[in-house]
Amino acid sequence: EPEVTQTPSHQVTQMGQEVILRCVPISNHLYFYWYRQILGQKVEFLVSFYNNEISEKSEIFDDQFSVERPDGSNFTLKIRSTKLEDSAMYFCASRGQGNQPQHFGDGTRLSIL
Amino acid sequence: AQRVTQPEKLLSVFKGAPVELKCNYSYSGSPELFWYVQYSRQRLQLLLRHISRESIKGFTADLNKGETSFHLKKPFAQEEDSAMYYCALSLPRAAGNKLTFGGGTRVLVKP
Repeated sequence: EPEVTQTPSHQVTQMGQEVILRCVPISNHLYFYWYRQILGQKVEFLVSFYNNEISEKSEIFDDQFSVERPDGSNFTLKIRSTKLEDSAMYFCASRGQGNQPQHFGDGTRLSIL
Repeated sequence: AQRVTQPEKLLSVFKGAPVELKCNYSYSGSPELFWYVQYSRQRLQLLLRHISRESIKGFTADLNKGETSFHLKKPFAQEEDSAMYYCALSLPRAAGNKLTFGGGTRVLVKP
């Protein structure tokens, strides 16, 4: 069964550094998402992406965040200047057309020091 | 704004006992409701969605619009049901179809 894959599984970065989290959605999917889960808290929506543009973003997704689909297979989340409070598990998800459900990746654990 | 509440953080039951995970939502329209499950060290997986009205792994969930609830039930819990369960909501025809999650309920099925 096709899966959403995320790399790396764990990223440790110094505060203030840029970080890029990578996702390969399921190949025929058209809608892409990033969520995050701070330890002990809810899974929170960050951004959705369709047809090469952001379709919705949350309050969390400020100017420090950006998403890109650079080559038709990868879907990346960039945090420009990381803060301690960016430490969380970041999940990528994708879904196909119509009413199909979202499929999630394993997540990337981001630790900011 | 829509919200999903799972009042129990932890449910501990014995194998063979019934289990019910509560989920309440706040939204005035007709959302789509889901249950996702996360087994130890695995990804979030879709367990159920209300529009399919299926029973998966013995679990069922009924959308009660009057009570704005989507409780998950299984009559006889198994040890392999031990996992984290998340109730989630999305708004049909919304721009991105984002999911709004509850806080999750950890289920521990004891032998």
